[in-house]
Amino acid sequence: AAGVIQSPRHLIKEKRETATLKCYPIPRHDTVYWYQQGPGQDPQFLISFYEKMQSDKGSIPDRFSAQQFSDYHSELNMSSLELGDSALYFCASSLSADPYNEQFFGPGTRLTVL
Amino acid sequence: GENVEQHPSTLSVQEGDSAVIKCTYSDSASNYFPWYKQELGKRPQLIIDIRSNVGEKKDQRIAVTLNKTAKHFSLHITETQPEDSAVYFCAASSPSYDYKLSFGAGTTVTVRA
Repeated sequence: AAGVIQSPRHLIKEKRETATLKCYPIPRHDTVYWYQQGPGQDPQFLISFYEKMQSDKGSIPDRFSAQQFSDYHSELNMSSLELGDSALYFCASSLSADPYNEQFFGPGTRLTVL
Repeated sequence: GENVEQHPSTLSVQEGDSAVIKCTYSDSASNYFPWYKQELGKRPQLIIDIRSNVGEKKDQRIAVTLNKTAKHFSLHITETQPEDSAVYFCAASSPSYDYKLSFGAGTTVTVRA
């Protein structure tokens, strides 16, 4: 079965650079969630989209923005990168028709800011 | 928002013994409680979940219980094996917060051979 795809899997950037992370949800899934997981931390919710509209926002810095496109894939744009942005970034997708909204995680993108 | 607390933060058990991890949540509207196993650098892997309409669920050596009145849920792993060593996260999801997952801080489980 198709799973959530994230690209790139690894990304190395310098401080103050920009990064774009991509997420391709499971086919027919209409909801995407982004989570950030720092070393030794639990995943923290950043932002979510349902039917191409932002549905909720968590502890996401103003330097970050995201959107969901007509094919339901999502991109997380990160500007003015800081050392503290180094983390694993997970995307998860779900089907809004599921009353419990089970989320399926992608493999993650490891971002390292030097 | 939803607040999920998880205990203990570390757990060391002898192979073959049982391991129990406990979590509490704050939002009474939460209705979905997944448990994830995560190995270093990998994605959280769903190992079992429980929905608010049941009190207990079992899958081979893994079981989860839910007490909605007390707002706590627990993971039980029996007959632990070295490959059970990992970080385990509980999470809760509520329609009040757009079903985003709120995670506990994690439990590092070490199974001693």
